[in-house]
Amino acid sequence: KAGVTQTPRYLIKTRGQQVTLSCSPISGHRSVSWYQQTPGQGLQFLFEYFSETQRNKGNFPGRFSGRQFSNSRSEMNVSTLELGDSALYLCASSLSGWGGVNTEAFFGQGTRLTVV
Amino acid sequence: GDSVTQMEGPVTLSEEAFLTINCTYTATGYPSLFWYVQYPGEGLQLLLKATKADDKGSNKGFEATYRKETTSFHLEKGSVQVSDSAVYFCALGADGLTFGKGTHLIIQP
Repeated sequence: KAGVTQTPRYLIKTRGQQVTLSCSPISGHRSVSWYQQTPGQGLQFLFEYFSETQRNKGNFPGRFSGRQFSNSRSEMNVSTLELGDSALYLCASSLSGWGGVNTEAFFGQGTRLTVV
Repeated sequence: GDSVTQMEGPVTLSEEAFLTINCTYTATGYPSLFWYVQYPGEGLQLLLKATKADDKGSNKGFEATYRKETTSFHLEKGSVQVSDSAVYFCALGADGLTFGKGTHLIIQP
């Protein structure tokens, strides 16, 4: 079956702009989580959506937001981009997410965002 | 808050050597524990997991045991191969995954 698909794979944006990233989970998976990966901070949890509701949130400013649609696809939005937002953004899907029985997460290839 | 500490490396070993990558964690409650691997140019893949104390996860010759008394989940492999060269991440799962910084493993022939 198809894996987790993230689009686009690469993005270059200017400071102050906003950006929207997309994630299509594995068919049947209802939980989508987002992570930011940088050389300095490593992998950090942004938020998790389950059945269109944000269920958990990491320690990121309000400029980072997301949503999930009825087909479980998810988007992440970053407004007023800063240079420090340059990172690899990873999406992960799982059957039931945190709090459920099956917590195995499958990751996409990521979107590489560069802010200039 | 929850945290994971692991050796960052790079760790360089010769083929067929014994591997240990240490991982310790701090968490409230009893989280699930994971090892993920990131091969060059590829995404994160789950290597193994353990969901409760004393569980042993294993896959592809790698093993790790969930030790509640030492809050550890060390990754071991008896004989590494060049193809094991990758970055290995220890993680705990509670409300989202909390990752360690990753250990870059280099296996030389």
